[in-house]
Amino acid sequence: AQKITQTQPGMFVQEKEAVTLDCTYDTSDQSYGLFWYKQPSSGEMIFLIYQGSYDEQNATEGRYSLNFQKARKSANLVISASQLGDSAMYFCAMREGSGGGADGLTFGKGTHLIIQP
Amino acid sequence: EAGVTQSPTHLIKTRGQQATLRCSPISGHTSVYWYQQALGLGLQFLLWYDEGEERNRGNFPPRFSGRQFPNYSSELNVNALELEDSALYLCASSKRANTHTQYFGPGTRLTVL
Repeated sequence: AQKITQTQPGMFVQEKEAVTLDCTYDTSDQSYGLFWYKQPSSGEMIFLIYQGSYDEQNATEGRYSLNFQKARKSANLVISASQLGDSAMYFCAMREGSGGGADGLTFGKGTHLIIQP
Repeated sequence: EAGVTQSPTHLIKTRGQQATLRCSPISGHTSVYWYQQALGLGLQFLLWYDEGEERNRGNFPPRFSGRQFPNYSSELNVNALELEDSALYLCASSKRANTHTQYFGPGTRLTVL
């Protein structure tokens, strides 16, 4: 079974609209972390936002927020007021274990987001 | 603050050769991670180094190896290159702390002919 599932291979969104990118995860660990990264066509992975499994509040970073629903094992990324520069691949990732780097991050297959003017 | 740097940007090799990729972490970060992003296979964890030691490796054969130097920079070596090793190799670094957010470099694109 996949540990990280991103069900939207591609999305087209009008500029200035809000976007929700879906991510569900599978782990038996109690302590884990969830991450979202953006990968423009240049290839570099840009860290966007982090949510710890014990964090009670949803994480927010500027226009990015993470809709964390622990019981459903979902960690959707919400981008408010989308911009043309938001066009990129977006990856959801998970770190399992109680820290120390563990096994590296497990990534989903990504969602290709295209913002249209 | 300088980000993670990787060299070279592009590398072209032929089958059977060896490739060496380099990574310098963010200042103050002691952990370095290597990932492979091959077409159709997504991002896969390769290796994790911390304080000069290999701490964990992903499901890759032993011809993928590396090391971490006293200044925390790292090398990834790929021996006996195969065509399917063609990929973007991404290096990431993190502090040795609880949050472990990994910050990535721009990657090295390896092409095996």
